[in-house]
Amino acid sequence: QVQLVQSGAEVKKPGASVKVSCKASGYTFTSYFMHWVRQAPGQGLEWMGIINPSGGSTSYAQKFQGRVTMTRDTSTNTVYMELSSLRSEDTAIYYCARDGSVGMTTTLVYWGQGTLVTVSS
Amino acid sequence: EIVMTQSPATLSVSPGERATLSCRASQTVSSNLAWYQQKPGQAPRLLIYGASTRATGIPARFSGSGSGTEFTLTVSSLQSEDFAVYYCQHYNNWPPEGTFGQGTKVEIK
Repeated sequence: QVQLVQSGAEVKKPGASVKVSCKASGYTFTSYFMHWVRQAPGQGLEWMGIINPSGGSTSYAQKFQGRVTMTRDTSTNTVYMELSSLRSEDTAIYYCARDGSVGMTTTLVYWGQGTLVTVSS
Repeated sequence: EIVMTQSPATLSVSPGERATLSCRASQTVSSNLAWYQQKPGQAPRLLIYGASTRATGIPARFSGSGSGTEFTLTVSSLQSEDFAVYYCQHYNNWPPEGTFGQGTKVEIK
C-alpha cells in the first residue's frame, strides 16, 4: 500500500531555513509527481509546488519562488522541501501528497501525516 | 493566477439533510476541479476529481457537478461523519497548478 512518512516537527527561528522530508513506499517512486501543501493554524490549504521524482524537475507557486527548493533522492525514495528565510507566517503543517496520475499533475490522492513547522524567536 | 472562491464559508445542516457547496473560478478551468474533505487533525481526503467523478471508496451520497467557472459539491443526506471542512482545488498539468479555495465548513445545525 502507498505510504508517505514525513519527518518530525521542527522549531526554527526567524530567518532560518527548514528542510522537511517525505519517504515514499508501496509504489514506483519515479512514476508519480509529488506535491507540497501547507496549512497554517486554523487556516486553509495552500499549494506550494511540485517535483517530478523521475528527473527532478520542479514547479513552484509564485508566492514561494525564490524561497522554496524541492529535491529528491531516488536511492531512498525520499523527497525534500526546504523553505528559507522563515518568518512567523510560515508556521504551519507541511504535507507531501502524491499525485493520482502517472507522469502528470492532477489530484492529490495520497497524503503524508504532515510536519508541523513552528517559527518563533 | 486563477483564484478559487468557495461559498458559503460555513454551512449549518441537520443530519439527513442535503448540503450544497459552491466553488467559483476566476477564469475557466474546464473540468480540472477536485473536492477534498478534511476532518480535524487529519490530512485531506480526495472526494471528487474531474469535477464529477468520485474517487475510489467515496460513497454515492457525494456528487460533483459543473464546468468552466462554476462548480457544486452536493452531499445528498448528511451523515455524522460528513461534518468537516471541504475544499475545492483547480489543478492543471502544464504549467503545474494546484490552487485551493478557502474552504467551506459544514457544521451540525
